[in-house]
Amino acid sequence: DAGVIQSPRHEVTEMGQEVTLRCKPISGHNSLFWYRQTMMRGLELLIYFNNNVPIDDSGMPEDRFSAKMPNASFSTLKIQPSEPRDSAVYFCASSLGRTGGEAFFGQGTRLTVV
Amino acid sequence: GENVGLHLPTLSVQEGDNSIINCAYSNSASDYFIWYKQESGKGPQFIIDIRSNMDKRQGQRVTVLLNKTVKHLSLQIAATQPGDSAVYFCADRGNYGGSQGNLIFGKGTKLSVKP
Repeated sequence: DAGVIQSPRHEVTEMGQEVTLRCKPISGHNSLFWYRQTMMRGLELLIYFNNNVPIDDSGMPEDRFSAKMPNASFSTLKIQPSEPRDSAVYFCASSLGRTGGEAFFGQGTRLTVV
Repeated sequence: GENVGLHLPTLSVQEGDNSIINCAYSNSASDYFIWYKQESGKGPQFIIDIRSNMDKRQGQRVTVLLNKTVKHLSLQIAATQPGDSAVYFCADRGNYGGSQGNLIFGKGTKLSVKP
């Protein structure tokens, strides 16, 4: 298995533009996590899906952020409109099972909003 | 403006020495704990895990200790090598206000190995 695949690896966009980050979890995994990592806040959980259903989105900063998981092999995190303070590395991770098993991380998407 | 970042605890050890990285967690309902290693420019990588019904687990050169009484977790690395230099995170899964299964990370500790 190729592991968790995220795209793009790097994204530079202008303030106000829409940004879509993509994630393909490991085949067979049924839990998916989106994290944001910054120097100020460290690694923050944004949203957690189980069996394609959002279980907890309390970490999503505000209405500008939305995440979807239309099927077991694909998820998106969208920011609209983007702001400079959204600049961070965004990680997707997947795991097998809801309450057990380590989560495997993708390489991350480095987002820069100018 | 001034760049104020997250101040990570730093552990500096000599190559060949043993390293101990500590972590405190707050959720008494957590039942599963994981240590991750993150190298520069990469995503966190699984090292070792432990369930709450255990107090010690050993892997290759690594040992995790769990003290549920004081909600403390430690990672011991034997014969530390330069390749062990990274930021280490503990994470726990448990019931967070009804959201069972959330994986929550600590702040991280930076391990620096001197050759």
